[in-house]
Amino acid sequence: GESVGLHLPTLSVQEGDNSIINCAYSNSASDYFIWYKQESGKGPQFIIDIRSNMDKRQGQRVTVLLNKTVKHLSLQIAATQPGDSAVYFCAAPLAGGTSYGKLTFGQGTILTVHP
Amino acid sequence: DAGVTQSPTHLIKTRGQQVTLRCSPISGHKSVSWYQQVLGQGPQFIFQYYEKEERGRGNFPDRFSARQFPNYSSELNVNALLLGDSALYLCASSLSTATNYGYTFGSGTRLTVV
Repeated sequence: GESVGLHLPTLSVQEGDNSIINCAYSNSASDYFIWYKQESGKGPQFIIDIRSNMDKRQGQRVTVLLNKTVKHLSLQIAATQPGDSAVYFCAAPLAGGTSYGKLTFGQGTILTVHP
Repeated sequence: DAGVTQSPTHLIKTRGQQVTLRCSPISGHKSVSWYQQVLGQGPQFIFQYYEKEERGRGNFPDRFSARQFPNYSSELNVNALLLGDSALYLCASSLSTATNYGYTFGSGTRLTVV
């Protein structure tokens, strides 16, 4: 199966700084990863995903980097805003597959953005 | 369009009781997944349903069961509640189980067992 974990439980940044949230995974056969944002009282919200045939993918203010050699991925948020304050999870399909519907999540990193 | 709707939003039950949680997927979505999120942790997969059939089950005891109806809505049932069942229960829906279709999560049902 797959397990994912995060290096830091909390991250505190100043508004305008760049944020980097890290995640490690265990199954070298995993070929699909997703980052979610969860605000208080809400369900996880899709941010960005990446497949193993890529090492970088960019979205609006977010970039995900995948290093298959060390089984590590990171989420970079540019010009972090107070609205980015939330818990961020990395997730991967259970059993190393590519189905969205059966995911394993890490514990999460709490991002706090100070004005 | 309405998102994934879950009911109730909050629920308090006593140990040993039974509970039913409900999920209405986004219109047109045929696949529903259920997750349990204990406070301070990431969601943990419980069940996946597609076209009314179970397509996956996580590492949960038989006290947990679910079903999907012809209109693609779903129910999660938990029998003989334990204090450890206190959690946020999330439902997510998608058009299909295919990998290029994303799942949208609801806001969850907060279950407290006392």
